[in-house]
Amino acid sequence: SQQGEEDPQALSIQEGENATMNCSYKTSINNLQWYRQNSGRGLVHLILIRSNEREKHSGRLRVTLDTSKKSSSLLITASRAADTASYFCATDAGGGSNYKLTFGKGTLLTVNP
Amino acid sequence: ETGVTQTPRHLVMGMTNKKSLKCEQHLGHNAMYWYKQSAKKPLELMFVYNFKEQTENNSVPSRFSPECPNSSHLFLHLHTLQPEDSALYLCASTTRVTANQPQHFGDGTRLSIL
Repeated sequence: SQQGEEDPQALSIQEGENATMNCSYKTSINNLQWYRQNSGRGLVHLILIRSNEREKHSGRLRVTLDTSKKSSSLLITASRAADTASYFCATDAGGGSNYKLTFGKGTLLTVNP
Repeated sequence: ETGVTQTPRHLVMGMTNKKSLKCEQHLGHNAMYWYKQSAKKPLELMFVYNFKEQTENNSVPSRFSPECPNSSHLFLHLHTLQPEDSALYLCASTTRVTANQPQHFGDGTRLSIL
């Protein structure tokens, strides 16, 4: 069954606003990763957060992880039109297959100028 | 430029054709992956190679045949495909097959089966 699920499926905001996307998963993980995909392109790794971390920052990105709720959030502050893309969370399978990533269906973010 | 190059970017083929997708990484990585991305579905892992050895075949139909001649190159040989195989095929690489590794993706091959 699907491990990570993003919410909402689509999000439309104005430039300068903050965007928050959520990810829920079902089983224990070693780490959770967020990726971005621009239309017609491959996925680009944004940030990795380990299961023993609660929050991580990278530039305008802030990721939180709550292992008790099996959920993560990605916050993009002061959004720009160039942030328009699909955003995916990915979790590892744990155990002996911890290199296998399971991706959600993604959140399509549209930032209007 | 992600360091992972996929060719061709677009491919249209009939169900009886044979074609190959190519992936090359210039990152010095030792693990390479094939994924399938279909509309409105999550990314599906197909195959994993670690130091040229296949470590994962995610129940992929035999009409898809991977080949990894060295750690820098990965191929996906296609034959007798079905319309439902139309999708974006993505290649990715990591330093090695282990947890806590960001994956580096190519821009994919958009495959259309007539």
